[in-house]
Amino acid sequence: SQQGEEDPQALSIQEGENATMNCSYKTSINNLQWYRQNSGRGLVHLILIRSNEREKHSGRLRVTLDTSKKSSSLLITASRAADTASYFCATDVKTSYDKVIFGPGTSLSVIP
Amino acid sequence: EAQVTQNPRYLITVTGKKLTVTCSQNMNHEYMSWYRQDPGLGLRQIYYSMNVEVTDKGDVPEGYKVSRKEKRNFPLILESPSPNQTSLYFCASSSPAWTSGGRTDTQYFGPGTRLTVL
Repeated sequence: SQQGEEDPQALSIQEGENATMNCSYKTSINNLQWYRQNSGRGLVHLILIRSNEREKHSGRLRVTLDTSKKSSSLLITASRAADTASYFCATDVKTSYDKVIFGPGTSLSVIP
Repeated sequence: EAQVTQNPRYLITVTGKKLTVTCSQNMNHEYMSWYRQDPGLGLRQIYYSMNVEVTDKGDVPEGYKVSRKEKRNFPLILESPSPNQTSLYFCASSSPAWTSGGRTDTQYFGPGTRLTVL
């Protein structure tokens, strides 16, 4: 079973709309990161939120973390066609300082 | 330019023919890692290395070998590839950073190697 799982698996929206993706995880974490992957390319880091933080912003990105529910959400506001990509959450589990675990990802399509 | 490079980018091979995928980073990062990406499974860690001559297994190490003789290079070796190793492979590196809140480093990913084993 996977530590982090994103929901939904796929999301299609119109340009200008907001996109929300969720990540649930199973074990306690130190922090959670979101990465983006354009089709077939390497992942690019977007944002990190620590376990003692509840919300973080970066440009059009807003990330929330609810450790009681073991979940995080990534909100992209005013989406653009260039936001079309897969989005992954990655958790740094407390039991191992060497391990960062990625979820299966959400595929986002923004239609112009 | 700071980057992680992988070679080859695409490879089609046959079962049992040994191959090596190279990974090199120019950021003087201590930490390097190999992942495979398969549909619906996300990224799964194969091996990682905390520094030169220090390597350890990830979640799916079977059928793979690695070495870390130099800080910048972390090759992935498939001694006897099989069709179930057909996948998209990524190398990543980072400079590990820990705070009271755990590990906070950002991983930099290579462009990927698409491997097909027939």
